Amino acid sequence: EVQLMESGGALIQPGGSLRLSCANSGFDFSSSAMTWVRQAPGKGLEWVSSISDDGIKIYYADSVKGRFTISRDNSKNLLYLQMNSLRAEDTAIYYCAKDYDSGWPFFENWGQGSLVTVSS
Amino acid sequence: IILTQSPGTLSVSPGERVTLSCRASQSVSANLAWYQQKPGQAPRLLIWGAAVRAANVPARFSGSGSGTEFTLTVASLQSEDSALYFCQHYDSRILSFGGGTRVEIK
Repeated sequence: EVQLMESGGALIQPGGSLRLSCANSGFDFSSSAMTWVRQAPGKGLEWVSSISDDGIKIYYADSVKGRFTISRDNSKNLLYLQMNSLRAEDTAIYYCAKDYDSGWPFFENWGQGSLVTVSS
Repeated sequence: IILTQSPGTLSVSPGERVTLSCRASQSVSANLAWYQQKPGQAPRLLIWGAAVRAANVPARFSGSGSGTEFTLTVASLQSEDSALYFCQHYDSRILSFGGGTRVEIK
């Protein structure tokens, strides 16, 4: 069974840093591109960042470029999102998601989400 | 690419046919997916390739369209279909989602 589980969400002050993790099991993680998607309270879905299976190709939304860093450790089946210079507008549930088996970037498998609250 | 979904909210009686729209600011070919999201849950993939039902998705859900105009249809709405619905393009690696349509049961 494919499982994704985020962790690391917390209440953090504006300007602070936080690292989210996503633990993966039940599939060949090292062959799967991965993505972070967030959802502000009561709002829609926003794509944040994606990383190729080998970690070489990386993409960011303009809203987080220069502040967030996506990475992965294929030896540990872990996906990360390092978030720096956090702003109130980064408050959201952060989901990790696995690219579809065909390699296309749409998502059949999601984690349960991790809440990040940026507030003083 | 900006995806615009309409309407923002639909209130529909059980058994009725529901049509949701997603319009792209430029062509995304058939590289469009639809998701359903219920409160407190992660999104659920319904449709990909504009018209291909994902695994275990009831046949009452169907998708159509290509280029810039897409539609998600629920043939006969069930009470459990009350949810938020989002479209997402994947025509490039810079992805985007539509703003969502909320479907409520009368």
